Amino acid sequence: GIQVEQSPPDLILQEGANSTLRCNFSDSVNNLQWFHQNPWGQLINLFYIPSGTKQNGRLSATTVATERYSLLYISSSQTTDSGVYFCAVGQGFQKLVFGTGTRLLVSP
Amino acid sequence: DAGVTQSPTHLIKTRGQQVTLRCSPKSGHDTVSWYQQALGQGPQFIFQYYEEEERQRGNFPDRFSGHQFPNYSSELNVNALLLGDSALYLCASTPRGGSTEAFFGQGTRLTVV
Repeated sequence: GIQVEQSPPDLILQEGANSTLRCNFSDSVNNLQWFHQNPWGQLINLFYIPSGTKQNGRLSATTVATERYSLLYISSSQTTDSGVYFCAVGQGFQKLVFGTGTRLLVSP
Repeated sequence: DAGVTQSPTHLIKTRGQQVTLRCSPKSGHDTVSWYQQALGQGPQFIFQYYEEEERQRGNFPDRFSGHQFPNYSSELNVNALLLGDSALYLCASTPRGGSTEAFFGQGTRLTVV
């Protein structure tokens, strides 16, 4: 089955810093989503981005489908950005396969 | 517009018991998927329901079963609970036609003692 790798596994930043999270996947996909999991476990949708570039405030994402990777950019990080970021991919209407996540800690 | 809702939010069960978790999909969504997330790991796919039938299944034993109702809501049943079934159970829904974007509920945290 499809494999998803995320890097880095852990990231510690000072408030105000920028960061880039990476997601590599092993096969063509028609669904790629970035999620932020809050401390209570809820997966918050950040981007639905099987290809191209999107921006939402301080966050932006780019997926290069032909090279099988996606990047999530966080600018001017805030303490509320802390948590786990997951990349998940899917083919057709099939299941989502999740990466192992990037654990982000933003300190004041 | 209500999002995906799950109940209960927390549950404590004894080993060997049976449990039923419930999920109501987002309005306009007809496909429901269930995921299990163990501590420190990413969610793992259990199964997916569409048109009241199981369309796909992940690598989970038959103790895990489900159902989808005509109003698209769904249940996840786990029989003969094991300590290792302790996890966060997440429900996701996807819309009819077009987009494959999935939306998740807040999860049910199951503890087996």
